[in-house]
Amino acid sequence: DAKTTQPTSMDCAEGRAANLPCNHSTISGNEYVYWYRQIHSQGPQYIIHGLKNNETNEMASLIITEDRKSSTLILPHATLRDTAVYYCIVREVPAGGTSYGKLTFGQGTILTVHP
Amino acid sequence: GAGVSQSPSNKVTEKGKDVELRCDPISGHTALYWYRQSLGQGLEFLIYFQGNSAPDKSGLPSDRFSAERTGGSVSTLTIQRTQQEDSAVYLCASSPLTDAYEQYFGPGTRLTVT
Repeated sequence: DAKTTQPTSMDCAEGRAANLPCNHSTISGNEYVYWYRQIHSQGPQYIIHGLKNNETNEMASLIITEDRKSSTLILPHATLRDTAVYYCIVREVPAGGTSYGKLTFGQGTILTVHP
Repeated sequence: GAGVSQSPSNKVTEKGKDVELRCDPISGHTALYWYRQSLGQGLEFLIYFQGNSAPDKSGLPSDRFSAERTGGSVSTLTIQRTQQEDSAVYLCASSPLTDAYEQYFGPGTRLTVT
């Protein structure tokens, strides 16, 4: 699996957009980018994933560069409850869907949203 | 809809006792995972169930740990003769057939071995 690199920590003002970068320069063509977050004392929470196109859901947007070597998770209007550790994970999803799903979380980015 | 549920939320037990932790996955999810997270540490994979296939037990730290999944739904993680180093938050997750990495985690069971 491709290695990912994320900043250790970031700050964001409440109400502003939080843009969390992730570098994955060794990503291969069939590897997806997944984002999870872990709020203090809770289990990890799936946020979004994508292959090459930008993706948006009710939680966030995922922007993947054209060369797929990096991506940015965007929380459009950060709230205090978005303070968490955000993890970028790159994994291959084999054709046909079923796959072994062991997740390996790195150090992630500690996002602190300030009032 | 209902998410992954786990019980109990907290468990305090004496060293040497056996404990059972329960996980109810999201209805329709075929895959189920157990992880544990020690204080200040990352997630450690324990075991993985996918449909009717044999489970992958490669992450279980010792033979004191076992897990089963009955009827393809509820799972129980059993720790025999608990040790203090077993103290951790035990997390269960489930995922749909189509994407094993889109995992939905339960709130966890905090196990404290005294």
